[in-house]
Amino acid sequence: KQEVTQIPAALSVPEGENLVLNCSFTDSAIYNLQWFRQDPGKGLTSLLLIQSSQREQTSGRLNASLDKSSGRSTLYIAASQPGDSATYLCAVRDSGGGADGLTFGKGTHLIIQP
Amino acid sequence: DAGVIQSPRHEVTEMGQEVTLRCKPISGHDYLFWYRQTMMRGLELLIYFNNNVPIDDSGMPEDRFSAKMPNASFSNLKIQPSEPRDSAVYFCASARRFHPAFFGQGTRLTVV
Repeated sequence: KQEVTQIPAALSVPEGENLVLNCSFTDSAIYNLQWFRQDPGKGLTSLLLIQSSQREQTSGRLNASLDKSSGRSTLYIAASQPGDSATYLCAVRDSGGGADGLTFGKGTHLIIQP
Repeated sequence: DAGVIQSPRHEVTEMGQEVTLRCKPISGHDYLFWYRQTMMRGLELLIYFNNNVPIDDSGMPEDRFSAKMPNASFSNLKIQPSEPRDSAVYFCASARRFHPAFFGQGTRLTVV
């Protein structure tokens, strides 16, 4: 059964810093990996999706990388801003056995201090 | 498109009552997922449908939970009878294969 782990569970940094959020998964047979953002009391907003054949995706100040063979992904946030404060969730979509549902990590709760 | 629409946004009910959560997926998406989020367990997949057919319901916690998708534009999740431990935020999401999943705003369920 796929398991997704996110480290750290929480992170607090001053505004302007570059930071890296980590995600690892146990079964490398995935279709894709998706990073989401969740604000308190809200739903999930998709940030980036990386297909299994890709190594990275970029959107603005966000860059996500994927190393499928080692079961790892990182989300890089450049020049962090207070508006980036949220919980960031990593999720993988498996490729075998009809398991098309996303398996989520527990998330990294990020606080950017003004 | 208005995105994935869930109703109600909040539901408070007494233990033993039937609860129905509703979801309208994004038009053209052939996958629909129901998730439950709690502080302790995070986001858990309950069930998902492909082309209105349930594919995997192994995440449904008990027989008290059931879900249907009578057509491509509607799904519901029922809990009967509800229990306090069912209190959580329930999310519906839809997707096309190999494309990002889009989530609704969730239904916050409180069973007292």
